[in-house]
Amino acid sequence: EVQLVDSGGGLVQPGGSLRLSCAASGFPVSDNYMSWVRQAPRKGLEWVSLMFGGGNTYYTDSVKGRFTVSRDTSSNILYLQMNSLRVEDTAVYYCARVRHGAGIDYWGQGTPVTVSS
Amino acid sequence: DIQMTQSPSTLSASVGDRVTITCRASQSVATWLAWYQQKPGKAPKVLIYKASILESGVPSRFSGSGSGTEFTLTISSLQPDDFATYFCQHYSTFPYTFGQGTKLEIK
Repeated sequence: EVQLVDSGGGLVQPGGSLRLSCAASGFPVSDNYMSWVRQAPRKGLEWVSLMFGGGNTYYTDSVKGRFTVSRDTSSNILYLQMNSLRVEDTAVYYCARVRHGAGIDYWGQGTPVTVSS
Repeated sequence: DIQMTQSPSTLSASVGDRVTITCRASQSVATWLAWYQQKPGKAPKVLIYKASILESGVPSRFSGSGSGTEFTLTISSLQPDDFATYFCQHYSTFPYTFGQGTKLEIK
């Protein structure tokens, strides 16, 4: 069974850092497209990053240079390292599996990040 | 970036009604479009992908159509479980942007 479990969210001050984790089961993250998507409070969905199976990663403009996606293939975990956090990064962050040519088929449960002083 | 615009933002309807939600792209996305349903406090769930393909396990009352820049999601006969927020999303080129959402409310 495919499952994604998000963790690592919390309260952090502006300028701080946080690392989110997405533990995957039922499939190898290294063979799939994986994304992070966020949703600010009472707002819509925003695509943050897309990592291809080969490791190339796209980032949305607002997080370029601050956020980095990585993966541990032995543990089958996807990470989102978030540095220089801003108030506007406050959101629930979801890990998601992307099917090539078919959009997202599985989502994590989300982990909340609050950036506030 | 390709902008996705949904209409209406809010839709009030009754059980048994047929409803349609529209999604427009600022440039062609061919049929690289998905529809998701989201309930409060939960992750979205995919309903339709490639504009018109019903995800496995999704009730057949949901259907999608369109190509290029204009797309629709139709629910043929609303059920109580369908009251939720619906998002379209293109996956033509990165960033894969979402529409702003349509909240479907009970009339």
